[in-house]
Amino acid sequence: SAVISQKPSRDICQRGTSLTIQCQVDSQVTMMFWYRQQPGQSLTLIATANQGSEATYESGFVIDKFPISRPNLTFSTLTVSNMSPEDSSIYLCSTRTSSYNEQFFGPGTRLTVL
Amino acid sequence: GQNIDQPTEMTATEGAIVQINCTYQTSGFNGLFWYQQHAGEAPTFLSYNVLDGLEEKGRFSSFLSRSKGYSYLLLKELQMKDSASYLCAVSENFNKFYFGSGTKLNVKP
Repeated sequence: SAVISQKPSRDICQRGTSLTIQCQVDSQVTMMFWYRQQPGQSLTLIATANQGSEATYESGFVIDKFPISRPNLTFSTLTVSNMSPEDSSIYLCSTRTSSYNEQFFGPGTRLTVL
Repeated sequence: GQNIDQPTEMTATEGAIVQINCTYQTSGFNGLFWYQQHAGEAPTFLSYNVLDGLEEKGRFSSFLSRSKGYSYLLLKELQMKDSASYLCAVSENFNKFYFGSGTKLNVKP
């Protein structure tokens, strides 16, 4: 299994500012994923972050808005740039086991944009 | 793309059995997963199916039919603590998970 921590756990931000969310895994993993969960909705994949390469973004998400770093095999960051109230959501970091049959989630970062 | 459909909400009685269905359309399928998510918490893994048939794990069972693009999660002997959202997720090409909209289960005394 993998234990994932995220910082911050929650934040309240002003419109137009940016927030960087950190994700730390207790073991080395190849793939890390960033999801968004808007109030009352399910999880939407933002991007896949592999170490040593640029993140791969899903339709509707772009690097300028959600830049991602993956400096090593245990850590990743997601930045929410130029925030608007529509970005208010829970952002979750995730990874998979080497056998691919389970995906673990961090506790999430609850973001509120005023 | 993926089309993953589940009922929005279900209600069942404590001690009863409930079945939550999930249908999907996807390419590069390599597994279907069920997650439980309590309000304000991260999803937790319940089950994984990659071959057709039933996987049983205690009070929870999950079924998969790949030819029909269909799965269900069966919860037996319902307890109040089972009130949560249940998310169906499909894995594609060993790389990505895509989640359904989730089914909110209300367990009543």
